[in-house]
Amino acid sequence: DAKTTQPDSMESTEGETVHLPCSHATISGNEYIYWYRQVPLQGPEYVTHGLQQNTTNSMAFLAIASDRKSSTLILPHVSLRDAAVYHCIPLTGANTGKLTFGHGTILRVHP
Amino acid sequence: EAAVTQSPRNKVTVTGGNVTLSCRQTNSHNYMYWYRQDTGHGLRLIHYSYGAGNLQIGDVPDGYKATRTTQEDFFLLLELASPSQTSLYFCASSDARGANSDYTFGSGTRLLVI
Repeated sequence: DAKTTQPDSMESTEGETVHLPCSHATISGNEYIYWYRQVPLQGPEYVTHGLQQNTTNSMAFLAIASDRKSSTLILPHVSLRDAAVYHCIPLTGANTGKLTFGHGTILRVHP
Repeated sequence: EAAVTQSPRNKVTVTGGNVTLSCRQTNSHNYMYWYRQDTGHGLRLIHYSYGAGNLQIGDVPDGYKATRTTQEDFFLLLELASPSQTSLYFCASSDARGANSDYTFGSGTRLLVI
C-alpha cells in the first residue's frame, strides 16, 4: 500500500476555503485516492475519491496532481461542522476492507 | 435511508464475560467489516465478510469471532472479554471490492471491560 503524508493539523476560520494536502509519492497506478473524515466518537464519513481526474461533489473538490504523487482536498466555505480529522487513503481493489487510517489532519475551524 | 446500525451503543462487561456486538446494514452491500479504534492506533480491521456465511480474518483478529448470518447482519463475538478489548468498535459496509466504492460506517459501540 502507498504511504501517505499529511500535516498534523490545520487552522481555519468559518467561511474560508481550506486546502488539505496529501503526499502519496509511492502510489501505484491502480490505487484510488480516498478521503474520509471523522469527528470524535463518530464513525468515519466518506468525503470523496478519485483516480486521476479532479473530482467534485457537494462536500469537496479533489485536485489530483498530474503525476498522482499528491492530492489536495479543497473544502469551500468551511463551517464549524467541517471540523474533523481528515484522512487521505490510497486503496485498490485488492485491499477490500483494509481502509488504513493513519493520524490524518486535524482541521480546526474557528468562528 | 441506507444506513449501518450498531447495537448496543455502550456496553460494560467483566473480564471473562461474553459479549456480542451487532451490526445491520440496509445498503444492500455485500461487504461488511468490523474495526476497533484506540487512541494512538487509528482504526484497525478485526474481521470482514464478503457475504452471508463468509468470514475473512483482518489485521487484529485475536480474541474475536465473527459471524455473518445474512447479507444485512454481521456480529462480533467476544467469548472471553479482556480489558485489552476495551475500545470503540465500528462496523462498516461497502458494495464492491475496494476501489471505486465508498464505505459506510455505523455510529460505533463503546465497550468497557472491567
